[in-house]
Amino acid sequence: AQKVTQAQTEISVVEKEDVTLDCVYETRDTTYYLFWYKQPPSGELVFLIRRNSFDEQNEISGRYSWNFQKSTSSFNFTITASQVVDSAVYFCALSEAKTGGFKTIFGAGTRLFVKA
Amino acid sequence: SQTIHQWPATLVQPVGSPLSLECTVEGTSNPNLYWYRQAAGRGLQLLFYSVGIGQISSEVPQNLSASRPQDRQFILSSKKLLLSDSGFYLCAWSRDSSNQPQHFGDGTRLSIL
Repeated sequence: AQKVTQAQTEISVVEKEDVTLDCVYETRDTTYYLFWYKQPPSGELVFLIRRNSFDEQNEISGRYSWNFQKSTSSFNFTITASQVVDSAVYFCALSEAKTGGFKTIFGAGTRLFVKA
Repeated sequence: SQTIHQWPATLVQPVGSPLSLECTVEGTSNPNLYWYRQAAGRGLQLLFYSVGIGQISSEVPQNLSASRPQDRQFILSSKKLLLSDSGFYLCAWSRDSSNQPQHFGDGTRLSIL
């Protein structure tokens, strides 16, 4: 069965600190997709990144980077030099090819507070 | 470009009253559509999804229902609201494939009194 675990409920950092948000997943499918979303205080979820199970290359986008490791079933998200605008709830999600993506499973989310 | 509209943004309803939340998508055709509920400080719970007009799949038994009368319109309804229906409701769309991200509306904050 699918499962996504975000063990960190809340993280608080001071501006300019680096912070890593952990995501561990479980799946029996060999083809699957991992996502990160950001939910700012305004409420709407914003898609950040997608990774497929065949591509373990890490990705960097500005201050954001993602570390996908199939060996540990993890897809961690690091924000470098955090800013107050990074304060949000971040969700990791998993979609399996065999279920057609309809049952994307979201983790419980990690609330990030960045203090000035 | 594609956009998703969801309304109303906030709603306060008495227990036992009916509910209708509407979601429309523009700029794409035959999207997958989803309704989620997010309780305060919690994760997302998938309520319904739809792969086409009139096709609704329910994930959680409850007093809510969903309908898709048009390709890009998705409606969440209830005949009688319960206190436990309070929460933040999010509509989302995606292209038809498991590797496609979902795109979310701004959400509706529903408070039941």
